[in-house]
Amino acid sequence: AQSVTQLDSQVPVFEEAPVELRCNYSSSVSVYLFWYVQYPNQGLQLLLKYLSGSTLVKGINGFEAEFNKSQTSFHLRKPSVHISDTAEYFCAPRRDTGRRALTFGSGTRLQVQP
Amino acid sequence: EPEVTQTPSHQVTQMGQEVILRCVPISNHLYFYWYRQILGQKVEFLVSFYNNEISEKSEIFDDQFSVERPDGSNFTLKIRSTKLEDSAMYFCASQAASGGLRYNEQFFGPGTRLTVL
Repeated sequence: AQSVTQLDSQVPVFEEAPVELRCNYSSSVSVYLFWYVQYPNQGLQLLLKYLSGSTLVKGINGFEAEFNKSQTSFHLRKPSVHISDTAEYFCAPRRDTGRRALTFGSGTRLQVQP
Repeated sequence: EPEVTQTPSHQVTQMGQEVILRCVPISNHLYFYWYRQILGQKVEFLVSFYNNEISEKSEIFDDQFSVERPDGSNFTLKIRSTKLEDSAMYFCASQAASGGLRYNEQFFGPGTRLTVL
């Protein structure tokens, strides 16, 4: 089984500042890694995913994440945030074979202030 | 872009009543999922469905829950006798079977908020 830890429950940041949302996972098997975003009163939207290949993956809305196998991390970054990035962000690993269910982290609320 | 849709958006029910939550997955997808999110908590996996049968389920998915694909388009979650603790946002998701750039991606619906009184 895998587990995931999002180290920060809330991250306040000023507009146009950079941000990093941290995610660490543990798993006895190889995993795929996903970041989802949930805007207020909406469903879950995929930001980006790591399946294989380059460890730096780029997603929508200017976000990127780096897979670090040795540190079992998949931190999400954006060099300059906007007010519209205010949302809840979820890291979610899943096994690369067999069981397909996503295991969601507890989420990080990104609060972008003007 | 194709979307997963869910109805109703909000369901209020009395404890002990049966509810059916409905989902229309993306048309060419073959894997289907239900997740739930209790207010203020993380999203939890309930069940996955493939080839007209449950492929995996969590410990939350007990005998009170069932899923069905009654026709070629709908995917339903039934809770037989609702409890107060079933109050949550329920998300349906679907995934393509293979191939294409978006293989391995689960597409989520907007959710149904279930309130059990």
